[in-house]
Order: sequence, then structure tokens, then C-alpha cells
Amino acid sequence: DQQVKQNSPSLSVQEGRISILNCDYTNSMFDYFLWYKKYPAEGPTFLISISSIKDKNEDGRFTVFLNKSAKHLSLHIVPSQPGDSAVYFCAADASGAGSYQLTFGKGTKLSVIP
Amino acid sequence: KAGVTQTPRYLIKTRGQQVTLSCSPISGHRSVSWYQQTPGQGLQFLFEYFSETQRNKGNFPGRFSGRQFSNSRSEMNVSTLELGDSALYLCASSSRLGTDTQYFGPGTRLTVL
Repeated sequence: DQQVKQNSPSLSVQEGRISILNCDYTNSMFDYFLWYKKYPAEGPTFLISISSIKDKNEDGRFTVFLNKSAKHLSLHIVPSQPGDSAVYFCAADASGAGSYQLTFGKGTKLSVIP
Repeated sequence: KAGVTQTPRYLIKTRGQQVTLSCSPISGHRSVSWYQQTPGQGLQFLFEYFSETQRNKGNFPGRFSGRQFSNSRSEMNVSTLELGDSALYLCASSSRLGTDTQYFGPGTRLTVL
């Protein structure tokens, strides 16, 4: 039973346009959400996070939106650049409940076309 | 600061053997977590160590074990290897217990023949 789902295995976007990556979760105990980017042959790199007490967090070109009622979060990248091409993982934990393990989605491969 | 390092980077073993993977966290980080990445299951949490104690454990059989040393370095051991254990094993370190911006190493690619 997947508790964190990324339903789009891949996404292609033109350079300069907006990339929107989606993530759904089922565990209502999750209260902290993170996005990681992964290049081939490298470990995941932390990108941005959001606590469940917020509905938006912004860091430069990256914005994460959280809709708790829908158990949905999304990562917006504006404008998209070719260097953003990577696999993006959504992750969640229930640290408020004492669970400090990350549950990951299976990832979305983003391709930004020049 | 040097990042998280994992050794070896690549490993080939046969069924029934055992393997030990090593992870050196970022200097000053006391929490080390291990994850398994496979194409079918994605990234799955194995366990987390903090100050030499296992604090959290994922849903993996007892063949998977680990430990952490006083210098925060961690090892992961898999005994009686199975073909399905072929995966990328990732280690992540954090400055405190929890997932607060874990920093991942490049991983060890284990192939079981």
C-alpha cells in the first residue's frame, strides 16, 4: 500500500515554462513534506520542504503547495531550465507523531526541453 | 564540509553471501538513515541510527541489519543475499534525529547474481 504516490512517472516541459509535479498521500499522520531531486549516479538532493501548518513555501524558482484536505502537494518550478532535468521525489514523515522515517513516492522524471 | 560518503560504490555478490556497506556522515551529523532504492518499489526506509542506537526501523526482514559507531559512521549488513536484494543502497545523514533535510550519499549499487 503506497502511502505517497506520484502518479506521473515522467513529465516533459519546454525551457522557460512552468513545471508542475504532483504528489498525493494517504496517511493523515504525515505532517512534514519534502521534495528531493536526483541525478543519475548521485544520491537525492534536498530541494524544498513544507510543514503541515503551512500551505505554501517558496525558495527561488521552486514553490511547494500543500492542500491538506485533499492530501495533495505540488512542486512548481518557474521558469524551468534544462539543468532541472532529473528525477523528483516527494517524501513525507510523521515527525509530530514521533515517526522520523521518510516515506517516498516512486519519483517523476522531469525533462526540460531547450 | 565533505559530503556523505559511501563505500564501496559498486558491489557484485552471489546468492547466499553476505555483504557489508559503509557510510560516513557529514562531520558533526549524528543521525544516519539507510534506504533501499529499486525500480519497482522506489526508495524505501531501512533504519535510522542516532548516537549508536537504532531509533527507527522499516519493514525489512531480519537479514538486514546495521550499526553505528561512536564516530557516527554506520555500516549496513545483509546476510544470505537474495536476487531481490539487488538495489541502490543510500545512506543519509542529518544533524539531529529526524528527517529534517537529510543529506544523501551517492549510494552503493549492489548486484546479486
